Amino acid sequence: NAGVTQTPKFRVLKTGQSMTLLCAQDMNHEYMYWYRQDPGMGLRLIHYSVGEGTTAKGEVPDGYNVSRLKKQNFLLGLESAAPSQTSVYFCASSYSGLSYEQYFGPGTRLTVT
Amino acid sequence: AQSVTQLGSHVSVSEGALVLLRCNYSSSVPPYLFWYVQYPNQGLQLLLKYTSAATLVKGINGFEAEFKKSETSFHLTKPSAHMSDAAEYFCAVSDRSTGKLIFGQGTTLQVKP
Repeated sequence: NAGVTQTPKFRVLKTGQSMTLLCAQDMNHEYMYWYRQDPGMGLRLIHYSVGEGTTAKGEVPDGYNVSRLKKQNFLLGLESAAPSQTSVYFCASSYSGLSYEQYFGPGTRLTVT
Repeated sequence: AQSVTQLGSHVSVSEGALVLLRCNYSSSVPPYLFWYVQYPNQGLQLLLKYTSAATLVKGINGFEAEFKKSETSFHLTKPSAHMSDAAEYFCAVSDRSTGKLIFGQGTTLQVKP
């Protein structure tokens, strides 16, 4: 069981470039989440999905898009990267919402110059 | 709206001393509460969770937390700190209508020899 994996681990982008972060889970979880972590701000939810083919906005969705074409994968896209998107991005998954534990990936460190 | 406040962004204790990390929540309904730990350059992992069963919850690595409704608190404690406990700790509340986690700002625990 690999759990939750994220690709890539590190990335440096120039302003205006685009990229896609890939999250994969092998636990057959319905729910998947994308967070960003910035110093002193905890984790903030970007987008989430409650099942294959569904997505919803979180707390800070602007500048990001997501897709959940397969149950095990959740993609996060940046169409035109900005320095404000420099952050550490975490993907998580859970069996359901509410009281169920979220399992986190190792993170992707993104720098936008 | 639900929210979480962690008192103290940095806590420093000596090895063998009591660890107390404070968390207060705001919720109009009985919450589900979580403590996660993040070791350097890693994702988050669950320490413990409260889901309206016993008010004293025991977690991994000797940590426990007590849910106090009258104080809207869910403080994390460990009787004797170990060097390996040095990490960042996050308190979170689950939004009952969506299952989304709302995180506090995090507390960095330093353990001095």
